Amino acid sequence: DSGVTQTPKHLITATGQRVTLRCSPRSGDLSVYWYQQSLDQGLQFLIQYYNGEERAKGNILERFSAQQFPDLHSELNLSSLELGDSALYFCASSPWGRGRTDTQYFGPGTRLTVL
Amino acid sequence: SQQGEEDPQALSIQEGENATMNCSYKTSINNLQWYRQNSGRGLVHLILIRSNEREKHSGRLRVTLDTSKKSSSLLITASRAADTASYFCATDARSAGNMLTFGGGTRLMVKP
Repeated sequence: DSGVTQTPKHLITATGQRVTLRCSPRSGDLSVYWYQQSLDQGLQFLIQYYNGEERAKGNILERFSAQQFPDLHSELNLSSLELGDSALYFCASSPWGRGRTDTQYFGPGTRLTVL
Repeated sequence: SQQGEEDPQALSIQEGENATMNCSYKTSINNLQWYRQNSGRGLVHLILIRSNEREKHSGRLRVTLDTSKKSSSLLITASRAADTASYFCATDARSAGNMLTFGGGTRLMVKP
């Protein structure tokens, strides 16, 4: 158990809908990262937040957005969903994430299925 | 885009044998990490090796890093059926954030 929690575990929805994925980092970790894992794209970094502020952005679509709240939990919002958005979405956390070597600890993931 | 590429893509061995997986990457890195993923589940952190380190051990795991060749290897000794999983290398490049760039992974099957 990494100490990172994600909800929900599974999510099934229809095209065009909007969903919110939630992540609680390990106690004391300031950085949260979101990754997408799909069969065709592999594991891809989406976005990082550090202590409430966006720190780095990867291959995140404009239809996707995220935020980190004062209690450090994070939400990833996916809107106007398409079939291709079906994937495993992972959240990871690390103590720093700002210019220091950091181990990232991953949550169990949310499996999103878009029908 | 993927920074790291694992080789082989799939590996099947007998219990008790050693398993070696290789990873190549393209740009300068701060560190390289190896993760394990059991089918459809979360990633488990195995080991982190910094760019100024050449070799690191953790239990039955041995990781080497050659920054001149931009490559790393993960050796699992005396493998067990429970080691069956996908193994990913991930690089933390010298950038503003600490985002990880993952390779495509090696699927390891250890037969009892």
